[in-house]
Amino acid sequence: QVQLQESGSGLVKPSETLSLSCGVSGVFMNSSYWSWIRQPLGGGLEWIGYVHYSGSTTYNPSLESRVTISMDTSKNQLSVKMTSMTAADTAVYYCARQNYDSRNGYNRLDPWGQGILVTVSS
Amino acid sequence: DIQMTQSPSSLSASLGDRITITCQASQDILTFLNWYQQKPGKAPKLLIFGASNLETGVPSRFSGSGSGTDFTLTISSLQPEDIATYHCQQYDALPYTFGQGTKLEI
Repeated sequence: QVQLQESGSGLVKPSETLSLSCGVSGVFMNSSYWSWIRQPLGGGLEWIGYVHYSGSTTYNPSLESRVTISMDTSKNQLSVKMTSMTAADTAVYYCARQNYDSRNGYNRLDPWGQGILVTVSS
Repeated sequence: DIQMTQSPSSLSASLGDRITITCQASQDILTFLNWYQQKPGKAPKLLIFGASNLETGVPSRFSGSGSGTDFTLTISSLQPEDIATYHCQQYDALPYTFGQGTKLEI
């Protein structure tokens, strides 16, 4: 059973950098893409970006200038860093496996971690 | 970016009701659409992928249909455990985008 668990600082000061990790168990990470998604409280979901085990990354253009996603296959862990945080970045941050089926073209976020609330405040 | 518009934003229903939620894409996305269920305080959970394929373990009262720009999620007979927010998501083009969510209440 694949499980993901986010960890990191839940409180970030304005203008500082967010740093979160996501531990993956039940599967080797060199088999998928791995995504980060966020959700403001009471709001909708926003895809941040993903990393492939090859190291290649793709980001949402709206966040690309501030985001870095990476993975460490030896630790079975992925990470996200987001610079210049503001109150607008306050949200629950999720990691998820990008479960891609090349034969059928299916591409779904499954499973998800439980999420971590990040508050940007001084 | 492809805009995904769900309707209604919220829905009040009774147990046993047939529920339909719609999702409209701003451009043709073929059947590259997923549906997720999110219960309060929990992470989203995959319900349907490829517009109409039921994820393993999801009750058969859930179904999805549509292609192109118009999609529907149907619950044939509402159960108490179905109270949640439902999100559609397109994966035809990057960046992946979600609808704003439909909150289902009793």
